[in-house]
Amino acid sequence: DTGVSQDPRHKITKRGQNVTFRCDPISEHNRLYWYRQTLGQGPEFLTYFQNEAQLEKSRLLSDRFSAERPKGSFSTLEIQRTEQGDSAMYLCASSFLSPPRAGVSSYEQYFGPGTRLTVT
Amino acid sequence: RKEVEQDPGPFNVPEGATVAFNCTYSNSASQSFFWYRQDCRKEPKLLMSVYSSGNEDGRFTAQLNRASQYISLLIRDSKLSDSATYLCVATGYSTLTFGKGTMLLVSP
Repeated sequence: DTGVSQDPRHKITKRGQNVTFRCDPISEHNRLYWYRQTLGQGPEFLTYFQNEAQLEKSRLLSDRFSAERPKGSFSTLEIQRTEQGDSAMYLCASSFLSPPRAGVSSYEQYFGPGTRLTVT
Repeated sequence: RKEVEQDPGPFNVPEGATVAFNCTYSNSASQSFFWYRQDCRKEPKLLMSVYSSGNEDGRFTAQLNRASQYISLLIRDSKLSDSATYLCVATGYSTLTFGKGTMLLVSP
């Protein structure tokens, strides 16, 4: 399977615990994105990487959230001291940096299956 | 004002019907636009990009009106398998801004 993969698929944790999620992008893609989605909402942007550089962070990304992409391949998203409001689906996506061929936008992002976080 | 707005629906249509969704965006600097499809409890999947000249992919037609800042998706000959939430997307500076989605329910 050459798509985006995420691990774990589901995580239940108690309030105050730390959690870490992993994303493996499509191997040819330079950019990697993290989104959060709650019920009835579209995905909301959290942060993105171009290779190993974290280029943008949303205001949604509080100090308790940190993301890394140390070698420009997989990425991790850590949430410290989880709160019930952190319960959501955490989606990872990847894309090319520049259009790979005519007719394909570099903005086309491909999503992984997500990690569903439940904080009790 | 939300950056990308969509009617949440649901749109209930019979098989074979034609249905259209509209979406408006507020960032006039947006350059690229997309429609994604999301099934219940699954990840969004890219349905089609939206080009200024309009584009068609089988039963699906997307249109972009930059002057009015709206995007549309037309689905002809609806199938049961088209039942899903359709997410309208506009680019920010380097990222995607999603609408809340429009739910489509196609019934036999």
